[in-house]
Amino acid sequence: GENVEQHPSTLSVQEGDSAVIKCTYSDSASNYFPWYKQELGKRPQLIIDIRSNVGEKKDQRIAVTLNKTAKHFSLHITETQPEDSAVYFCAARATSGGSYIPTFGRGTSLIVHP
Amino acid sequence: DGGITQSPKYLFRKEGQNVTLSCEQNLNHDAMYWYRQDPGQGLRLIYYSQIVNDFQKGDIAEGYSVSREKKESFPLTVTSAQKNPTAFYLCASRVSMNTEAFFGQGTRLTVV
Repeated sequence: GENVEQHPSTLSVQEGDSAVIKCTYSDSASNYFPWYKQELGKRPQLIIDIRSNVGEKKDQRIAVTLNKTAKHFSLHITETQPEDSAVYFCAARATSGGSYIPTFGRGTSLIVHP
Repeated sequence: DGGITQSPKYLFRKEGQNVTLSCEQNLNHDAMYWYRQDPGQGLRLIYYSQIVNDFQKGDIAEGYSVSREKKESFPLTVTSAQKNPTAFYLCASRVSMNTEAFFGQGTRLTVV
């Protein structure tokens, strides 16, 4: 089955700095990679996703990059703000010919200091 | 908020009791999932269902049971066989193979 590793487990930055969270996956059949943000006590919510036919996707201050050859993908947050503080989860799954169940990383607790 | 509703938000269970967590969605999603969340463990899959009247075990199914008699509903029972049930439980649903999962607000279960 799929195995997703996520690093770091905790990331502390100053407001305005950039933050990068990295994930690796093991199943070459995985072709869909969503990222979720979970604020304290709340549900995980999708913030950005990328499919294997593109290498990068941006949405305002967040971007995700994918390296299929190396089987890793990363979340980049620029100009961080205190409200970005949350736990971020990466996930990987196939959309055909394999498991459709998303496998999640263990999460990264991002703390943005004002 | 939503389309996928979990209840109750907080639940307390005595040792040896079975408890059932509710998950209802009005999104017409076929697939539904139950995850358990523990600090530092991420989201671990308990059970999933791709279609009504069918469900499959996930990675940590022992001590849990589910049913999927209706498309909208996927209740999770935490049985007395689950030795460490205190956790945050998240239900999710997805409309098709090509879309992301939507999560409920979660139920925090505590054994007292």
